[in-house]
Amino acid sequence: RKEVEQDPGPFNVPEGATVAFNCTYSNSASQSFFWYRQDCRKEPKLLMSVYSSGNEDGRFTAQLNRASQYISLLIRDSKLSDSATYLCVVNNYGQNFVFGPGTRLSVLP
Amino acid sequence: DADVTQTPRNRITKTGKRIMLECSQTKGHDRMYWYRQDPGLGLRLIYYSFDVKDINKGEISDGYSVSRQAQAKFSLSLESAIPNQTALYFCATRSTDRANTGELFFGEGSRLTVL
Repeated sequence: RKEVEQDPGPFNVPEGATVAFNCTYSNSASQSFFWYRQDCRKEPKLLMSVYSSGNEDGRFTAQLNRASQYISLLIRDSKLSDSATYLCVVNNYGQNFVFGPGTRLSVLP
Repeated sequence: DADVTQTPRNRITKTGKRIMLECSQTKGHDRMYWYRQDPGLGLRLIYYSFDVKDINKGEISDGYSVSRQAQAKFSLSLESAIPNQTALYFCATRSTDRANTGELFFGEGSRLTVL
């Protein structure tokens, strides 16, 4: 079993839709969690960190469920510019980052 | 100018050739990483360095070597390239300041094709 798993998609949604991605991780000792965004053929960039209490940044909401070992990303009112691959990233304190394979999102006009 | 710069951005080479990918950063970060990205597999860690005298193997170090020439420079070498090393390679940096969120800052990537 991979340490971080994601549905690769693609998720094809119309503009204005709400879309949610989940990510599961296998290491219960994982401490830090992130969502990165990667545009086609570009470098990944941090979208948001994921905190235990959940956090929101504009149209984006991230949630962490430690008991079930998954994190989620919710995007409301999708824009064409949200089309990208979303990478789930997990870090064990003092260790290195482990990347999921990514979920591809296409927002359609 | 980018804070994390990789050269070359694209390279096509032949099996058996020696290749070096270079990374330099102006962020002043002490930690530097080399990842490769393959379709469907996500980013996998090749080597990482916490400072000039500290080099560590990552998940997939076989066939690669690195050199940390200075805090700002971290090079990845393929001594004898093979076709399954065809991939997109990323260098990344990270600060260990207490206030750091844990964010990794990536270079723009080096696309390597081994024929």
